Amino acid sequence: SAVISQKPSRDICQRGTSLTIQCQVDSQVTMMFWYRQQPGQSLTLIATANQGSEATYESGFVIDKFPISRPNLTFSTLTVSNMSPEDSSIYLCSALNFNTEAFFGQGTRLTVV
Amino acid sequence: KNEVEQSPQNLTAQEGEFITINCSYSVGISALHWLQQHPGGGIVSLFMLSSGKKKHGRLIATINIQEKHSSLHITASHPRDSAVYICAVGGIGNQFYFGTGTSLTVIP
Repeated sequence: SAVISQKPSRDICQRGTSLTIQCQVDSQVTMMFWYRQQPGQSLTLIATANQGSEATYESGFVIDKFPISRPNLTFSTLTVSNMSPEDSSIYLCSALNFNTEAFFGQGTRLTVV
Repeated sequence: KNEVEQSPQNLTAQEGEFITINCSYSVGISALHWLQQHPGGGIVSLFMLSSGKKKHGRLIATINIQEKHSSLHITASHPRDSAVYICAVGGIGNQFYFGTGTSLTVIP
């Protein structure tokens, strides 16, 4: 099985700034995903992080606001850009390995003030 | 309509009680996960199921693929079990669909 290390676990940020969240997997995985959980809501897919190419974004999410990188098969970042209080959420990464087993990061609790 | 429905939304139990949380889903899946979300927001994966039943300590998870239903049971509940429990189903397209969670409070 794989272990995902997601950092930071929490942060408080000023509006207008950006935060980059990192997910490091201890073994190669085929797919990585980024989710958001707004207060009182369920987790919603932001995008699929594609290795070596642009991420695939879900409806309502755009690259300018949530740029994603995935330079290799074990690492991905999500940046929340030009933050506003509405971006206060929990952000979660997950991954699928070559056996289609799924793993989840610990989540990042973001508060924008 | 949500792809994943959980019940109940909120649950309060006395310490020692047997607890059941239910999850029904409408999509074809490759696997189902039960996650535990602590008050600080940290998320822990409890189980991954594709069939049958799994047990880990006081936690038991079952899945019925034909009925598209899973249950999470907690035996001899304890206040440290207080958390939000989330059902996540892995769709055929590999992304996950999440339930809204069940908030469990176990009272000493």
